[in-house]
Amino acid sequence: DAKTTQPPSMDCAEGRAANLPCNHSTISGNEYVYWYRQIHSQGPQYIIHGLKNNETNEMASLIITEDRKSSTLILPHATLRDTAVYYCIVRPFRSNFGNEKLTFGTGTRLTIIP
Amino acid sequence: ETGVTQTPRHLVMGMTNKKSLKCEQHLGHNAMYWYKQSAKKPLELMFVYSLEERVENNSVPSRFSPECPNSSHLFLHLHTLQPEDSALYLCASSSSGSIFTDTQYFGPGTRLTVL
Repeated sequence: DAKTTQPPSMDCAEGRAANLPCNHSTISGNEYVYWYRQIHSQGPQYIIHGLKNNETNEMASLIITEDRKSSTLILPHATLRDTAVYYCIVRPFRSNFGNEKLTFGTGTRLTIIP
Repeated sequence: ETGVTQTPRHLVMGMTNKKSLKCEQHLGHNAMYWYKQSAKKPLELMFVYSLEERVENNSVPSRFSPECPNSSHLFLHLHTLQPEDSALYLCASSSSGSIFTDTQYFGPGTRLTVL
């Protein structure tokens, strides 16, 4: 799987848009970009995924560059409950993992400031 | 309260002990998961069960042995663990085994310390 690079931490004011970047310069053609977040010591929560087109759902928007080497997760109106560690991972789309090792990387610790 | 319970909440064991972690979900889900979260390390998926069949085994050492006797219960049997196995072990459940898009409900975890 392609590796990803994310800033270790970011702050965002409550009510503003939070833009979380992710670099995945070695992504291959069949790999999707997935975003998850982890609040406190809970497990990961799926946010959004995409291949090459921009995607939007009720939680966030995903902007993928044309060369697919980077992406940005956008939380349009950040709230205090959005404080979490956000993980960007890239892998082929499938409904299960197979026998590969899956780790979530170190992610970006997003802190929403009141 | 997410509907997923784990026991015990804390466990201290020696390297020669055999112990088991228990997870129970009351949500009517048919997929259950074990995760490991070590201090200062990323969250790591260990096992996935769907309809009581193991569908994922993410290169986990054999000293960890999962068991899913029915869709509501999941066990993690531990034997001859190493100190580096000390971690928070999280159980989760979802309505299906599609981990990429399913909403997973997590238990509070078992904090394991191996001496």
